[in-house]
Amino acid sequence: GNSVTQMEGPVTLSEEAFLTINCTYTATGYPSPFWYVQYPGEGLQLLLKATKADDKGSNKGFEATYRKETTSFHLEKGSVQVSDSAVYFCALPRSNRDDKIIFGKGTRLHILP
Amino acid sequence: GAVVSQHPSRVICKSGTSVKIECRSLDFQATTMFWYRQFPKQSLMLMATSNEGSKATYEQGVEKDKFLINHASLTLSTLTVTSAHPEDSSFYICSARKFLAGARETQYFGPGTRLLVL
Repeated sequence: GNSVTQMEGPVTLSEEAFLTINCTYTATGYPSPFWYVQYPGEGLQLLLKATKADDKGSNKGFEATYRKETTSFHLEKGSVQVSDSAVYFCALPRSNRDDKIIFGKGTRLHILP
Repeated sequence: GAVVSQHPSRVICKSGTSVKIECRSLDFQATTMFWYRQFPKQSLMLMATSNEGSKATYEQGVEKDKFLINHASLTLSTLTVTSAHPEDSSFYICSARKFLAGARETQYFGPGTRLLVL
């Protein structure tokens, strides 16, 4: 089956700093990757996704490009805010044959004012 | 948006007792619900898939007699940890999916239930 690896946290940044959270994967075929976010006390929410190679997903100022050649889907944001403090999970389908999702370990992000 | 709730949010119990966790879809009907377990600093691990009106499908290595799942209605699934032991202490998360063919990403997650077994 597929697997996903993301950088470990916690990541602490000052407000307005540039953010990158790395995510790489191993997979059969070309799965569609996702990023989920979990704000304190809440459930996971889909942040963005990509459906094909070189596709860029974007939402709330976050972006991630599905790089087939490097099997990566790094999350970036040009200027983070305190409200971005959360745990971010990279995810992708477990295999081409089912609809289950597998998650990375999550990266906790702290943004300092 | 679609909201999923879990109850309780946290529970402490004695070893040997059983604990029931509820997962509800508040504003949509969920034909499928998923139960995950998350250990500290680990990713979410899928435990089982719960389909309304049928038996749950358990992932390899998950004891179905230990983790009883019931999905009696289109808005409620329950996970019962039977004869809980300290090693069952974990964060349990459910998600619910509307029936949208091919839409793998439409899982709506609950906030999780933290279980501590003493």
